[in-house]
Parts: sequence; structure tokens; C-alpha cells
Amino acid sequence: DVKVTQSSRYLVKRTGEKVFLECVQDMDHENMFWYRQDPGLGLRLIYFSYDVKMKEKGDIPEGYSVSREKKERFSLILESASTNQTSMYLCASSLIRDSFTDTQYFGPGTRLTVL
Amino acid sequence: QKEVEQNSGPLSVPEGAIASLNCTYSDRGSQSFFWYRQYSGKSPELIMFIYSNGDKEDGRFTAQLNKASQYVSLLIRDSQPSDSATYLCAVWSSGTYKYIFGTGTRLKVLA
Repeated sequence: DVKVTQSSRYLVKRTGEKVFLECVQDMDHENMFWYRQDPGLGLRLIYFSYDVKMKEKGDIPEGYSVSREKKERFSLILESASTNQTSMYLCASSLIRDSFTDTQYFGPGTRLTVL
Repeated sequence: QKEVEQNSGPLSVPEGAIASLNCTYSDRGSQSFFWYRQYSGKSPELIMFIYSNGDKEDGRFTAQLNKASQYVSLLIRDSQPSDSATYLCAVWSSGTYKYIFGTGTRLKVLA
């Protein structure tokens, strides 16, 4: 059974703090993604990775960085959290990069509040 | 123009009726089309995907794809109150290796 887990369901941080969001998948998927979801804006891609130590910027990478040291783990880092980064963060993974039948599976999400 | 457009709703249908959800996209190179259901406060879960023109059925759900007109739709037959959720359309293109999501349509099935 497909499983993507995220380290926290809810997180409250203060402005300026460094924040780590962890995502782990146990399906041996090549690709992993970080999105944020805000009302009226839908899901927006922050970063994605199609291999260990590889990363590519998505549509809104500013203020974020990522790390993928192992195939199963993809971390999102907020270098200095700001209130406009309050959002729902969703991690996803998919099996193969270049396949039009590839499917993304989502983790449960982390609702981050920055005060 | 947004890359993937959906009517935000809410779309209200009575229990037992057919719910029809629509999605249009702008990139003609798009190859795969996905429908996700998202309950409030939860993450999206895959319902089905389609990549060939025509219809694809899975239980009470039917996805319809028309690449010439650049739209994809999802029909839910015999709608149940438990189908009340936001339905997200996503499009994948080999040119970008990215999934582009619509903002979702909120469906309410009235008992």
C-alpha cells in the first residue's frame, strides 16, 4: 500500500525561525514534490526532486530550500520563517519521471502557522 | 489565462443524481489528466487518471477527455453525501515534468 508520511500534522513557529518539514515515502519512488496549498490559490509547486541529491525549483521557491540525501526522504526548509509562509504544506511522490501514466500520491499535510 | 481552470463552485446536487465536474487546460502538449478528491482539512487522494480521448469508467466515476477541445470532466453517478468534497483536476506534461493543478471545484451532495 502506498504510504507518504510527513513529520508533523500541525506546527506553530515564530517569525525568523528556521523550520524543517520532513517527508518520507516507502514506495521506492524516484520523484518527490513539495507543494503549498492556500485558499483560492490551489496547490503551488515549491520544489521537486527526481533523484537523490537532485532538486529543481518549482513555481514559488523563494524563501525555501530542500534536501534529498536519501531516496525515501525529502525535506523542505524555511530558512527564516515569515507570516506569509503560513499555509498547508503537502508532500507527494511518484514512481517514474518520464511517464505519462505516472501518478502522484500525497502525504497527510502539515499545517504550518508562523506567528 | 490560468493553465488549468475549474469552476470553484459550490456545485450542489441532490443525493442520487449525477454530478458533473469540468476542467479546461491551456497546454496542448498535456498528456495525462488526473482527478483528486480532497476532504476539508485532508490531503488530496487520487480518484482516477485518463490519457486517451474518450471515456474511462471506474465504479461510479467516469472521466471524459477531449484533447481537441482541451477539457476533461469527471462524472459521479448516484452521488452520495460522502462525495461532498473539493475535486482537483491536475494535468501533466512531458515538456515540464510538472503537474499543474486547478484550484478545485467544491461539490455538495444534499441528502
